[in-house]
Amino acid sequence: DVVMTQSPLSLPVTPGQPASISCRSSQSLVSSDGNTYLNWFQQRPGQSPRRLIYKVSNRESGVPDRFSGSGSGTDFTLKISRVEAEDVGIYYCMQGSHWPPWTFGQGTKVEIQ
Amino acid sequence: EVQLVESGGGLVQSGGSLRLSCAASGFTFNKYWMHWVRQAPGKGLVWVSHINSDGSSRSYADSVKGRFTISRDNAKNTLYLQMNSLRAEDTAVYYCAGSFGYWGQGTLVAVSS
Repeated sequence: DVVMTQSPLSLPVTPGQPASISCRSSQSLVSSDGNTYLNWFQQRPGQSPRRLIYKVSNRESGVPDRFSGSGSGTDFTLKISRVEAEDVGIYYCMQGSHWPPWTFGQGTKVEIQ
Repeated sequence: EVQLVESGGGLVQSGGSLRLSCAASGFTFNKYWMHWVRQAPGKGLVWVSHINSDGSSRSYADSVKGRFTISRDNAKNTLYLQMNSLRAEDTAVYYCAGSFGYWGQGTLVAVSS
């Protein structure tokens, strides 16, 4: 199984400042079809998960452009250019390149400091 | 508007059974792979099971293999999860997800030992 490791696990942020979350996989996420199926999800307190980014860097419809995804192979990053109060929550990376199982990272808790 | 509405959760004794349902609307259900993902209290997201669009292919996490069965009725736009031989460690909120882009609100399964 592919192990997904996120860092940091806790991220205090200041509104208006940038934030970055790292996600590393135990093996390359380049799939047999040439795509890299790395997703990022946001889970606000008390809510269901919501996908922000799919295939490394593609934003879902309605996701603010302050969220961006990048990376390749085994190293991936979610960046928030200017954190807003509504960005508080837990962020998960998830791989869908080598399944089953689909595997999530442990989650990174973003909170306003 | 896309909606996924889970139902069927509740309190059950160890060794018991439950059947979860997920009613879909607002998207072409029969073209989507569907998943069940669970989240134990205060913990992260864990993938449980998947079924492809026509129901011909299914997969399970090792922790539920042989106990849980996923199915779908495309005529009713509904996804199911039959859960047998439930254990305390199955206690979680269970989410259905359409190709991970659409998520339900979750249904709580609590297993008492």
